[in-house]
Amino acid sequence: EVVLTQSPATLSLSPGERATLSCRASQTVSDNYLAWYQQKPGQAPRLLIYTASTRATGIPDKFSGSGSGTDFTLTISGLEPEDFAVYYCHQYANPPITFGQGTRLEI
Amino acid sequence: QVQLVQSGAEVKQPGASMKVSCKAAGYRFSDYGINWVRQAPGQGLEWMGWISVYSGNTNSAQKFQDRLTMTTDTTTSTAYMELRSLGSDDTAVYYCARGKRWTMSYFDYWGQGTLVTVSS
Repeated sequence: EVVLTQSPATLSLSPGERATLSCRASQTVSDNYLAWYQQKPGQAPRLLIYTASTRATGIPDKFSGSGSGTDFTLTISGLEPEDFAVYYCHQYANPPITFGQGTRLEI
Repeated sequence: QVQLVQSGAEVKQPGASMKVSCKAAGYRFSDYGINWVRQAPGQGLEWMGWISVYSGNTNSAQKFQDRLTMTTDTTTSTAYMELRSLGSDDTAVYYCARGKRWTMSYFDYWGQGTLVTVSS
């Protein structure tokens, strides 16, 4: 199965700064079938990005995804208090579907 | 608007079975698939399986294949996930999430989650 490794495990930043989250796959994610989700405490995950760089409906352009092959990045610009959450990457190219272990973005 | 509404929290004894429902609204149920994902307390997300509502085809993670059954009822737009032979490590929040009809995909809408606690 494809193992996704996210780094860093925890990222401490201040409002207004830019966050860069990494997701590395153990093998090529074909067709860039890689998604990103945001999860806040007590809530279900929310889809941010799919196919590595396409923003989901209603997601502001402060969230951007990039990368291909085995290395993917989620960038969040101009951090606001509501952006501090846990972020997961997810590959759906090769069964079984797998998730990264998450990056906690904290103030 | 698209909504997935799940059944309420449950407490189960070890060795028992659980069955969670996920009622869809706001879209044509048979045009999509339903995935099941779980999250143990304080842990990350774990994909369990996917069912195509239209065809009934399923695909599941190997670790669940022997004890997981996913079904749908198109008359009520409801998906069901049954997990048997529960152990304490099955204590988790279980989510349903909408995916594509024919293949595994990203998950664009999620249910609110159902907490299942396995305890004697």
